[in-house]
Amino acid sequence: SQQGEEDPQALSIQEGENATMNCSYKTSINNLQWYRQNSGRGLVHLILIRSNEREKHSGRLRVTLDTSKKSSSLLITASRAADTASYFCATASGANSKLTFGKGITLSVRP
Amino acid sequence: NAGVMQNPRHLVRRRGQEARLRCSPMKGHSHVYWYRQLPEEGLKFMVYLQKENIIDESGMPKERFSAEFPKEGPSILRIQQVVRGDSAAYFCASSPPVGLWGYEQFFGPGTRLTVL
Repeated sequence: SQQGEEDPQALSIQEGENATMNCSYKTSINNLQWYRQNSGRGLVHLILIRSNEREKHSGRLRVTLDTSKKSSSLLITASRAADTASYFCATASGANSKLTFGKGITLSVRP
Repeated sequence: NAGVMQNPRHLVRRRGQEARLRCSPMKGHSHVYWYRQLPEEGLKFMVYLQKENIIDESGMPKERFSAEFPKEGPSILRIQQVVRGDSAAYFCASSPPVGLWGYEQFFGPGTRLTVL
């Protein structure tokens, strides 16, 4: 069964705007990870947030985690055309366990 | 430090043939995971291996699929007697040894299997 569910399914914004993507999950987790995938390519790891963390930053990325609501959000600030890709959240229930992925969000950034 | 390597990148097989997909983890990583991605879908876990051990194969179909990670050499995902429904992108990921809070899984470029 799908653990992570992202929303929206598709997002189209203008370059320079911020993009916010949400992910909800069902069971308790050890960590949650966000990945980016360009069309026809592999996955690029963006950020990992542990279940005892609430917020994490990496460059233009900001991730929050609310374990009481079983949800996470990924914010990309000052978006660029190169940010156009599919974004996936993935949860791990144990330290080195499998990742359970959502179906992904398609982000289009218009130049 | 090279990333996760997979080969071949593209593989075409006819129904009934065997497919062998290879994955070399990042240097220093002892954990390997295989995932499958169907078109327009997220990735689905198949199997998790450490050297010479299968740790979790709960996502692996019971028949025709097998995986190994020998003491020497790459991890192999083997699909016997392929069918059209096996057409997908197969991704391998690796991570460092166990930590309390888990580590990032780093993905290879994938092998795109097409079954004719």
